[in-house]
Amino acid sequence: AQSVTQLGSHVSVSEGALVLLRCNYSSSVPPYLFWYVQYPNQGLQLLLKYTSAATLVKGINGFEAEFKKSETSFHLTKPSAHMSDAAEYFCAVRTDTGRRALTFGSGTRLQVQP
Amino acid sequence: EAQVTQNPRYLITVTGKKLTVTCSQNMNHEYMSWYRQDPGLGLRQIYYSMNVEVTDKGDVPEGYKVSRKEKRNFPLILESPSPNQTSLYFCASSFTGVSSTDTQYFGPGTRLTVL
Repeated sequence: AQSVTQLGSHVSVSEGALVLLRCNYSSSVPPYLFWYVQYPNQGLQLLLKYTSAATLVKGINGFEAEFKKSETSFHLTKPSAHMSDAAEYFCAVRTDTGRRALTFGSGTRLQVQP
Repeated sequence: EAQVTQNPRYLITVTGKKLTVTCSQNMNHEYMSWYRQDPGLGLRQIYYSMNVEVTDKGDVPEGYKVSRKEKRNFPLILESPSPNQTSLYFCASSFTGVSSTDTQYFGPGTRLTVL
């Protein structure tokens, strides 16, 4: 079985500050990891994904995430927050076993203060 | 434009009145899936389909039905809706269900309220 834990249901940062959203996973087999973003009243959009090719993954809108197997983590970062980054962010894991479902974390709502 | 569409976007209904939420994709994707999103729980998979006429249960299938008669469509059916099915529903699709690295594309969501 696989699972995802996102620490912090709400994160608030100032515009221009570092964004760090935490994600830890649990999986008995090699995982594939994803970050999705959901803007108000919209569906989910893929930010980036880890597919075992490289541990540091760069995504859209300046976001990146680093896969750390020893820490079972896949934290999302952005050096400088913009107001437009305010949204809800979901970490998800998928494996090559079973029904290959995406298992989502509970989400982190990012607020960006002016 | 490549997209996943859902209808309706908003629906208020009463307990026991059968309803269908449609989902359609124009990307020739084999894999389609339904999720529900509830506060503090993230998204949970209801049903999925690996291809036409192939469907299977996800994590929370009780009270739902699906069908996959055509590749592009994957309707979600609530035969007798109950208030605990009040939620935000998302349809998603990906090129295949075999590769776990395939990106899943999500529809805009359907907000369902069951009174």
